[in-house]
Amino acid sequence: GAGVSQSPSNKVTEKGKDVELRCDPISGHTALYWYRQSLGQGLEFLIYFQGNSAPDKSGLPSDRFSAERTGGSVSTLTIQRTQQEDSAVYLCASSTRLAGDTQYFGPGTRLTVL
Amino acid sequence: SQKIEQNSEALNIQEGKTATLTCNYTNYSPAYLQWYRQDPGRGPVFLLLIRENEKEKRKERLKVTFDTTLKQSLFHITASQPADSATYLCALEYGGSQGNLIFGKGTKLSVKP
Repeated sequence: GAGVSQSPSNKVTEKGKDVELRCDPISGHTALYWYRQSLGQGLEFLIYFQGNSAPDKSGLPSDRFSAERTGGSVSTLTIQRTQQEDSAVYLCASSTRLAGDTQYFGPGTRLTVL
Repeated sequence: SQKIEQNSEALNIQEGKTATLTCNYTNYSPAYLQWYRQDPGRGPVFLLLIRENEKEKRKERLKVTFDTTLKQSLFHITASQPADSATYLCALEYGGSQGNLIFGKGTKLSVKP
């Protein structure tokens, strides 16, 4: 596809369940980012993948959150034992280079934890 | 650590006027600063990038300035239109990782006809 895609677009889950969110970056983009955006809040950085380097996990809020990127392309963000405070829109972005390049965002996954 | 602030949560202006949005940062001057537009229910969309050695950058009705002395960027939309109504985010490089950005909370612009 031409842009970054994310699935599902909406996810409703019960507290304590695990969820997986998927991101398909733009083909050829070496960098991939995950963000979280709560209602009325800014973008909260979660994790950053760049090529084959070790990911920057400094933004993950707890050890319930993890992410992987297979084959340098598709990424999955996993939230284990979801809590109500995990409810937010999870945005994925990709870019082509290191510093200076723009990020192309997907439409996001809206997660609601009941 | 670097902090970024967008002074206004919301800005309401009349159609045809110039909208000016402010972005301030607190620590070291970044190599570049970016502005994004976000519409409800969508991801942010890149608008402009300005580098530290550039004072001003223009794109159609958009103008961005970068003052490293004041540690501030201004984002202007001239001849504003209701279609310009959206949330505008500024972003700059995050010190921990090259290629990573820190985003402001955004300013919600409403242009009234």
